[in-house]
Amino acid sequence: AQRVTQPEKLLSVFKGAPVELKCNYSYSGSPELFWYVQYSRQRLQLLLRHISRESIKGFTADLNKGETSFHLKKPFAQEEDSAMYYCALSLDNYGQNFVFGPGTRLSVLP
Amino acid sequence: DGGITQSPKYLFRKEGQNVTLSCEQNLNHDAMYWYRQDPGQGLRLIYYSQIVNDFQKGDIAEGYSVSREKKESFPLTVTSAQKNPTAFYLCASSTGLAFNEQFFGPGTRLTVL
Repeated sequence: AQRVTQPEKLLSVFKGAPVELKCNYSYSGSPELFWYVQYSRQRLQLLLRHISRESIKGFTADLNKGETSFHLKKPFAQEEDSAMYYCALSLDNYGQNFVFGPGTRLSVLP
Repeated sequence: DGGITQSPKYLFRKEGQNVTLSCEQNLNHDAMYWYRQDPGQGLRLIYYSQIVNDFQKGDIAEGYSVSREKKESFPLTVTSAQKNPTAFYLCASSTGLAFNEQFFGPGTRLTVL
């Protein structure tokens, strides 16, 4: 079965430090990977997706098919980055085609 | 905000009562989804609908029911058979095509007293 794992439930870093939120997936096909973010009192929203290869709010994520990973990185964390982050896997089929990881809460300390 | 709305924001019910959560979207999306969000467990899919008048069970459908009579609406009923209904419920929509992102509503927090 397809799975997404995020090993850290909580990650705390100091402002200005680099941050990496880990995401691993298990899927034998060709996946599309996403990172969603949920700021306090806001709705869950898309942060970035693999196919667009963008940098959003300073975050980037690289798909490593060999390691089946899609880690989210930012070189210098800001306090406003504190939020819940979910990695998600979208499958190339019709129907139940989205799988979310358990999420990592990022806390950026002043 | 707009796009996808959920009401009410907070909902309280007594044990043994059914309750219906509303989800509406004006994005002209074919697919709609209901998730349950619990601390430490991420998002778990309850039901999804790829098209009007059709819906499928997700991973945790027991104790829930849905309908999809209109493209823009996908209400979720939490029945008295749901053993642990207190949770945060999220509705989402998408075009339904492979690899397309999902757009989320603001959520409804249901508390069973």
